[in-house]
Amino acid sequence: DVKVTQSSRYLVKRTGEKVFLECVQDMDHENMFWYRQDPGLGLRLIYFSYDVKMKEKGDIPEGYSVSREKKERFSLILESASTNQTSMYLCAGRTDYGYTFGSGTRLTVV
Amino acid sequence: KNEVEQSPQNLTAQEGEFITINCSYSVGISALHWLQQHPGGGIVSLFMLSSGKKKHGRLIATINIQEKHSSLHITASHPRDSAVYICAGGGADGLTFGKGTHLIIQP
Repeated sequence: DVKVTQSSRYLVKRTGEKVFLECVQDMDHENMFWYRQDPGLGLRLIYFSYDVKMKEKGDIPEGYSVSREKKERFSLILESASTNQTSMYLCAGRTDYGYTFGSGTRLTVV
Repeated sequence: KNEVEQSPQNLTAQEGEFITINCSYSVGISALHWLQQHPGGGIVSLFMLSSGKKKHGRLIATINIQEKHSSLHITASHPRDSAVYICAGGGADGLTFGKGTHLIIQP
């Protein structure tokens, strides 16, 4: 099974901080994705990546950026955290057999 | 943009009942996914379907490509099946998700 690991389960950050959410997967040829999940809105795609140094905007990229310097690691960056970015963030990897999700990072911005 | 609609939003049933959750999507997709999320838990992929029917234990998923409709069935439901079930459509560039069905199985 593909494993997708998110480094933090819970994070509390202050408004204006730069925040890094880390995600690591153990398959060499994986597409990787960052989603956020909010009550009533469901899961929405922020960014995705097909390969190293490649990134594509999803449905809600504003306020976020990503980094993929190595194939196994896909980082989500909140350049200047705001309270409306308080959410559950989920990383996912994809193979031809489907998607594998990380356990999620619940981020609170105060 | 693909839209994914699920029904019902909430479902409460008694242990042992046969459960059906429905999903409709608006445009062509490469695959339809059924996902499960327990309270406070991560998301687990149950099925990926592009045609026909798949079965895993007490779970069965079907898809009708012409009607753009999929169903998830749970036979002999059990309280441990209580979770949010999410339908999602898409492919290599990501998934579009339904809002989820919150299922509660009472003993």
